[in-house]
Amino acid sequence: GENVEQHPSTLSVQEGDSAVIKCTYSDSASNYFPWYKQELGKRPQLIIDIRSNVGEKKDQRIAVTLNKTAKHFSLHITETQPEDSAVYFCAASIETGANNLFFGTGTRLTVIP
Amino acid sequence: DTEVTQTPKHLVMGMTNKKSLKCEQHMGHRAMYWYKQKAKKPPELMFVYSYEKLSINESVPSRFSPECPNSSLLNLHLHALQPEDSALYLCASSPQFPSTNEKLFFGSGTQLSVL
Repeated sequence: GENVEQHPSTLSVQEGDSAVIKCTYSDSASNYFPWYKQELGKRPQLIIDIRSNVGEKKDQRIAVTLNKTAKHFSLHITETQPEDSAVYFCAASIETGANNLFFGTGTRLTVIP
Repeated sequence: DTEVTQTPKHLVMGMTNKKSLKCEQHMGHRAMYWYKQKAKKPPELMFVYSYEKLSINESVPSRFSPECPNSSLLNLHLHALQPEDSALYLCASSPQFPSTNEKLFFGSGTQLSVL
C-alpha cells in the first residue's frame, strides 16, 4: 500500500518568513495530493490540493509543488502569520479503486510573532 | 450549507456503556467516513459508506458498529470500549466514493474518553 512520509515534524518560523513542508509517497499510482490544516482542538480543513497532471498550484500565500518523478510534493507558505500556526497534514490518494487517503504524520508549524 | 455536524462534541463513557456518535451533512454528498485520530497523529480511516452501503471496514473491532440510516446521516455505535479507544472521532463526507473528486469535508469531531 501507499506510504506517505512528512518532514519536518515540527517547524518554527518568524512571522513574515516562509515555511516549507515536504512529503514523499511510495505508490507511483497516487495522483491526488491534498493538504490539511488542523488547529488545536479543531477539524482538519482542506487548504490546497494538487493533481498529478499539474506541477504547481498557488492560492494567495499558499502553494504546492509536485515532482512525480521523485514522488515528492511540498507545501509552501509565504509571509507567515501567527494564525498559520497549526498542524499540517499531507495526504496521497489514488483515484481508481479504493481511493483511501493516506495521511502523512503531520508537521506542527509555529509562527513566532 | 458546507458543514459536517457531529454530536456530541465530548463524550465520557465507561467500559460497560453503550453510546452512539452522530454525524450529519446536507451537502448532498453520497460518501461518508469515520476516522479515528489519536493526539498528535494523523486521522486513521475506520469505515467508508457509499450510497448508504458499507464500502470499507479497515479491520475495525466489532465494538465499533457503524450505521448509515440515510444519505445525510452516519452513526457510530459504541459498546464495551477499552481505554485505548479514547481518541477524537472524526466524521467526513465527500461527493462520491470512489471518485475523481476526493475533497473531504471533516466534522469537528467527538472527543471520546473511555474510563
